[in-house]
Amino acid sequence: QVQLVESGGGLVKPGGSLRLSCAASGFTFSDYYMSWIRQAPGKGLEWVSYISSSGSTIYYADSVKGRFTISRDNAKNSLYLQMNSLRAEDTAVYYCARDEAAMVIILDYWGQGTLVTVSS
Amino acid sequence: QSVLTQPPSVSAAPGQKVTISCSGSSSNIGNNYVSWYQQLPGTAPKLLIYDNNKRPSGIPDRFSGSKSGTSATLGITGLQTGDEADYYCGTWDSSLSAGGVFGGGTKLTVL
Repeated sequence: QVQLVESGGGLVKPGGSLRLSCAASGFTFSDYYMSWIRQAPGKGLEWVSYISSSGSTIYYADSVKGRFTISRDNAKNSLYLQMNSLRAEDTAVYYCARDEAAMVIILDYWGQGTLVTVSS
Repeated sequence: QSVLTQPPSVSAAPGQKVTISCSGSSSNIGNNYVSWYQQLPGTAPKLLIYDNNKRPSGIPDRFSGSKSGTSATLGITGLQTGDEADYYCGTWDSSLSAGGVFGGGTKLTVL
């Protein structure tokens, strides 16, 4: 069965960096687009970034552009999110999700999420 | 402030029907497919509807979706207490800042 497992969350100081990972299993990872979505405590969903199956096409939300970098390693069935220059407003649960189509947003499988807390 | 606008809350009695609206613009809903997600308390979101009105396997036909112009609607019939959750619409935005967008979410209370 399809499984997505995020890791790498934790407490980090403002201005610091963190790298999130998402381990995929149960499907041919290299065939699918992938996205990161976050949810601040008590708030709604916010789309963060998208990467095509080959990694050649990438999009970011304006709120993270220039600070976050999405990447993938199809040989390791893994998705990553490098987060730099973190701010308090980046505090959220970060989910990775499988995207069924290009630039459509059909997130058919989600991980359980990993909590990132940015605080001094 | 979310790009897509949803009512903060809706409520109805068990067995009744409820609709949740999602309003956008020509750069998102008007020219792209809409999906809907259910988030039960303490869990990850789950895909309910995609391509405006299609249901993934395993989603009961009590859930339906529609789209007209720059708005979309999620309908739930035969409400059950287990349907109490937050519901989100989502789509792609093709503007200069292209990317995914979600509504602010709607809390469904089954009275």
